[in-house]
Amino acid sequence: GAGVSQSPSNKVTEKGKDVELRCDPISGHTALYWYRQSLGQGLEFLIYFQGNSAPDKSGLPSDRFSAERTGGSVSTLTIQRTQQEDSAVYLCASSLAGRPYNEQFFGPGTRLTVL
Amino acid sequence: GQSLEQPSEVTAVEGAIVQINCTYQTSGFYGLSWYQQHDGGAPTFLSYNALDGLEETGRFSSFLSRSDSYGYLLLQELQMKDSASYFCAVISEGFGNEKLTFGTGTRLTIIP
Repeated sequence: GAGVSQSPSNKVTEKGKDVELRCDPISGHTALYWYRQSLGQGLEFLIYFQGNSAPDKSGLPSDRFSAERTGGSVSTLTIQRTQQEDSAVYLCASSLAGRPYNEQFFGPGTRLTVL
Repeated sequence: GQSLEQPSEVTAVEGAIVQINCTYQTSGFYGLSWYQQHDGGAPTFLSYNALDGLEETGRFSSFLSRSDSYGYLLLQELQMKDSASYFCAVISEGFGNEKLTFGTGTRLTIIP
């Protein structure tokens, strides 16, 4: 079956603009995660969804960042008034919640560049 | 909170064996996972340990000591394609509310 998909693959925007990043998880995966990865760095946890609810928003860097998930499937990460420090690859992952080893399947990411 | 430590870079020779260590501090520890990421690619799952001991999957093995808050990834018969970044990740809070916290990654370079 299809893996996790993300769109757009690349996004270049001007400082101060809003952007929306989309994630389509693997069908049937109830858990969905957003991460951010700066060049040469590790993965920074942003937010976790279980179904449509987000029990853990602790990783969102500021109130400019928000995310939602509808229908237990597609998720959108929105960054308002983008700043240059928001430039990074934004990765989405999904998993079958409840599986003890929590294998996460990652999408290819969206590379965001804020000029 | 959670914190993990792993070496930033490791170099090894093709055909040899290399071990990448990971130490962690966390509350609600549930398990330790390892992920591989090639340059420009997405992370892919390699292994998972919830209990002490060694788990073997082909050329890769992963070890966990819960009492020492320590684990490692062992790669044998190294191939050039193993050049990648390797991340350990702690799973915390357990069933139904799992959260993965990743280390900063170890960049493994294989030389001929």
